[in-house]
Amino acid sequence: RKEVEQDPGPFNVPEGATVAFNCTYSNSASQSFFWYRQDCRKEPKLLMSVYSSGNEDGRFTAQLNRASQYISLLIRDSKLSDSATYLCVARRGSNYQLIWGAGTKLIIKP
Amino acid sequence: DTGVSQDPRHKITKRGQNVTFRCDPISEHNRLYWYRQTLGQGPEFLTYFQNEAQLEKSRLLSDRFSAERPKGSFSTLEIQRTEQGDSAMYLCASSLFFRSGDTIYFGEGSWLTVV
Repeated sequence: RKEVEQDPGPFNVPEGATVAFNCTYSNSASQSFFWYRQDCRKEPKLLMSVYSSGNEDGRFTAQLNRASQYISLLIRDSKLSDSATYLCVARRGSNYQLIWGAGTKLIIKP
Repeated sequence: DTGVSQDPRHKITKRGQNVTFRCDPISEHNRLYWYRQTLGQGPEFLTYFQNEAQLEKSRLLSDRFSAERPKGSFSTLEIQRTEQGDSAMYLCASSLFFRSGDTIYFGEGSWLTVV
């Protein structure tokens, strides 16, 4: 079992819809969490950090549930340009090592 | 461009050959990371440096892989006697690390195809 698990998708969503996906992590020692976005054959780019209190950045909302060990990403009013793979990342250890999920592919359709 | 730069961006090599990738981090970033990513997977950690010191190496980093960061600036990742299983994107990232953590910035990656 991978330490950080995501549904690979793809999620096919019409433009303007709301989409949400979760990510689970198995190591309770994980300290911080992030969502990265990766376009096809490009490098990952930080989308947002995830805080226990939940945080919002425009159309994107991220939440962390430490008790159940999952994090979520909600995208409202989805745009065609949101089509990408979304990678969930947990950080742990004294060296703050990043543990990556395999990503969830999102396809926004017109 | 003041981001992380990697060279070459694409490399096709024959099995058994050696390849070397270079990474130039963002200026004054003290940490430099190497990751490997294959299609449909997230990045896998290979190694990282804090300044010139290599602080951690993944078990994925076999004896054929070596990384250096002389003088704590640019870094090289060398793969000796390449195998087809080495085909992947090799990502370099850098950060300015404090005790509270850091934000990691990735380069565009170096694609390796071993034929």
